Amino acid sequence: QLQLQESGPGLVKPSETLSLTCSVSGGSISSHTYYWGWIRQPPGKGLEYIGFVSYSGGTYYSPSLKSRLTISVDSSKNQFTLSLISVTATDTALYYCGRLGSYLSEVDWGQGTLVTVSS
Amino acid sequence: QTVVTQEPSLTVSPGGTVTLTCASNTGAVTSAYYPAWFQQKPGQAPRALIYSTSNKHSWTPARFSGSLLGGKAALTLSDVQPEDESDYYCVLYYGATWVFGGGTKLTVL
Repeated sequence: QLQLQESGPGLVKPSETLSLTCSVSGGSISSHTYYWGWIRQPPGKGLEYIGFVSYSGGTYYSPSLKSRLTISVDSSKNQFTLSLISVTATDTALYYCGRLGSYLSEVDWGQGTLVTVSS
Repeated sequence: QTVVTQEPSLTVSPGGTVTLTCASNTGAVTSAYYPAWFQQKPGQAPRALIYSTSNKHSWTPARFSGSLLGGKAALTLSDVQPEDESDYYCVLYYGATWVFGGGTKLTVL
């Protein structure tokens, strides 16, 4: 059974880079069938799509975050990472990593990790 | 900027039927937007219910159904149960990205 586990700092200073890792177990990140990426949810607010990538290199980023965002896959560690530069308080959120099938025919999420942007 | 709009809140009685909708500021929602629906309860990750307009996941109760209605994507809950009280989110595909709606808080009362 697929399991996804987010990890990374819970506190990031404004203007710095938010980096999170999603470790994948029970499945291979090298599969060409799936997309790997992130959504987030600010406290008390709705879901926001961040972006997903395919193992073959296709990127599907939110236009509003694209200029600050990099999602990369590391097949040797069976994990993928999120890097968001120049963060502000508006980037404070619960971040979920996920695996998506084509057009959301399959959806798996991690448990989520809270990241707070504050000095 | 692409905006996906849902009813902020709806209330339904147990056993009743309710329809949640999902609209796009770019025009009518069609199957080409591959509408999907998620249910999220407090403290939990969102759970996928419907994909590609009307397809159910294996765990989706039969009382949930997806459709296109009047230029919007729609999620209809029939014979609503108390455990259906939750936040519901739609998401639409825009070619190279997905956009979530703001969510509907469904109260069963």
